[in-house]
Amino acid sequence: EAQVTQNPRYLITVTGKKLTVTCSQNMNHEYMSWYRQDPGLGLRQIYYSMNVEVTDKGDVPEGYKVSRKEKRNFPLILESPSPNQTSLYFCASSFGGQPQHFGDGTRLSIL
Amino acid sequence: AQTVTQSQPEMSVQEAETVTLSCTYDTSESDYYLFWYKQPPSRQMILVIRQEAYKQQNATENRFSVNFQKAAKSFSLKISDSQLGDAAMYFCAYRSSTGNQFYFGTGTSLTVIP
Repeated sequence: EAQVTQNPRYLITVTGKKLTVTCSQNMNHEYMSWYRQDPGLGLRQIYYSMNVEVTDKGDVPEGYKVSRKEKRNFPLILESPSPNQTSLYFCASSFGGQPQHFGDGTRLSIL
Repeated sequence: AQTVTQSQPEMSVQEAETVTLSCTYDTSESDYYLFWYKQPPSRQMILVIRQEAYKQQNATENRFSVNFQKAAKSFSLKISDSQLGDAAMYFCAYRSSTGNQFYFGTGTSLTVIP
């Protein structure tokens, strides 16, 4: 089954404690992306990757890091999380101009 | 950066009736893709419909169709014969054919009244 898998689904943590949200896709897609969703703001792109070792900033990259060492994986790293990064996060992948496949989301709360 | 505007934060429709959700976008590009995604309370993002800008024909998927007006930069979604399961947040999205970023609108929350 074609899917994008994010883990964890829910996480409550404290300010400053490094965390990683993993994302994996099994469709051999070249393009992968991270979004955050906040009420009234829709989805905003954090980072995206066109292929292995190729990543670029989206609209809201501050406070986040990503890496793309393998085609299937695209983890999102918060080195020093802060409360303003409390949000719902989505990973997505696609091929070319095709629609993106989304993961089920990660609800992140930073106290 | 491109912008996508959904001017209706909330909409409601009677079951079995038709509703249209609006979306406008700002771009200087001639070739791009437009999408409508549905997000039910389960928060999954589900593709509803896709339109390529070079195609003049409006996309249709069963009860869902779009009115794509390229010159006006408008991309509205029409839902016919609305069902209770259509209740969700709907997002309009844009991606250029050459660029790598996706841009989403702020969403329209659709309520279906039995």
